[in-house]
This record gives sequence, C-alpha cells and structure tokens, in this order.
Amino acid sequence: IAGITQAPTSQILAAGRRMTLRCTQDMRHNAMYWYRQDLGLGLRLIHYSNTAGTTGKGEVPDGYSVSRANTDDFPLTLASAVPSQTSVYFCASSDSTSSGDTQYFGPGTRLTVL
Amino acid sequence: GQNIDQPTEMTATEGAIVQINCTYQTSGFNGLFWYQQHAGEAPTFLSYNVLDGLEEKGRFSSFLSRSKGYSYLLLKELQMKDSASYLCAVLDSNYQLIWGAGTKLIIKP
Repeated sequence: IAGITQAPTSQILAAGRRMTLRCTQDMRHNAMYWYRQDLGLGLRLIHYSNTAGTTGKGEVPDGYSVSRANTDDFPLTLASAVPSQTSVYFCASSDSTSSGDTQYFGPGTRLTVL
Repeated sequence: GQNIDQPTEMTATEGAIVQINCTYQTSGFNGLFWYQQHAGEAPTFLSYNVLDGLEEKGRFSSFLSRSKGYSYLLLKELQMKDSASYLCAVLDSNYQLIWGAGTKLIIKP
C-alpha cells in the first residue's frame, strides 16, 4: 500500500506558466487537502475536499484551483504561476473531517517559480 | 484571528527529557494534534488530544488543558533520531487544522 503519492517531487517553473501538481491516495479516504509550507510559517490550507465531487477554499486559495472527480485523485493547478507560489506543497487525506481523524501526508512537491 | 504559538527551536541532550509547549487561540476547538516532521520529509502523526489530561504513547506523551488553551508534548529518553520539527495543530470549529510554525528540536550527544 503506497498511501499518498505526489508528483512531481520537485519542479522549477517559469513565472506565468500553468502547472498541475498531482496527488493520489489508495486508502479510500473521503477527505483530501492541499497545504503549502513556507519557512517560519505553519502549514497553510489551500483547498480541501470533504468527499468526491465537492471542494472548498482554505486559508490561501488565491491563484490555485482543485478538482475531485473521484475518491483517489486531487490535483492542484496553478493557472499562471508567480514567484510567491514558491513553496513546498503537501497533499493529505483523512477518513473524514470529524474530530480525531488523522490526516496522512504525501511526500511533498518542492516548487520553485522564477 | 487564530493563533498557535510554539517555541522556534529547542536543544536537548541524548537520553534526557524535553517538553515542547503549545498555546492556542482558535475559533472553536475540536481537538489538538502533534506531528513530527524530519527535515525534507512529510509530517507524521504523533498524538491527538480532545479531552483534558495526559495521553501516553511509549516515549511520547501529550497533555491538554482546554481552559488554558495549552498543550505540551513530552519526549523521554531522547534519541538522536528524535531530532526533527514538532508541529502543533488545532482542529477549529470548521474542522480545519490550524498549524503552528513548528519547534525544531536539536538533540546533542
């Protein structure tokens, strides 16, 4: 069982380019999340999905979009990348959004926008 | 606003005990999590507290006081592999995790 996989592992991107970060989980979890992690700051929620077919905005959604066509996949798209989107991006999943449900994290994607 | 405070960095000696504190002010409370994150890796789950008191799990224990908005993570018999960042996170009224910036723990021989 792989858990959560993310691709690519790292990417250098020119500003203005479109980029999709992929996330796949095989735990049949209902909820999935995208976070960014920047030095000196806590993880910040970008978008989430409570179940397939639904998505919601987190703390820092501007410049990002997501889709949840099925249970396993939750891609994050940067429509036109900007240097402030340079960060480490983590995808996570949990069985539900209820109290006590642990979020499990993918290995992360390190994105640099020049 | 919502706020989670933890010390930025702590240093401890191999074999010793260390306590990492976390204070929080959030809109609602549905539990508090501690995660461990080694450099360059993903966060991994350590503990969850929703009721006041101490939860013990091997060398690691976590304490919660909801009235004080306070938690701590206690690590005993420190090993070199415990060198990592420790992240405190609170599940708020919207069932979203609010994260602290993390405490980098350095273990010296």
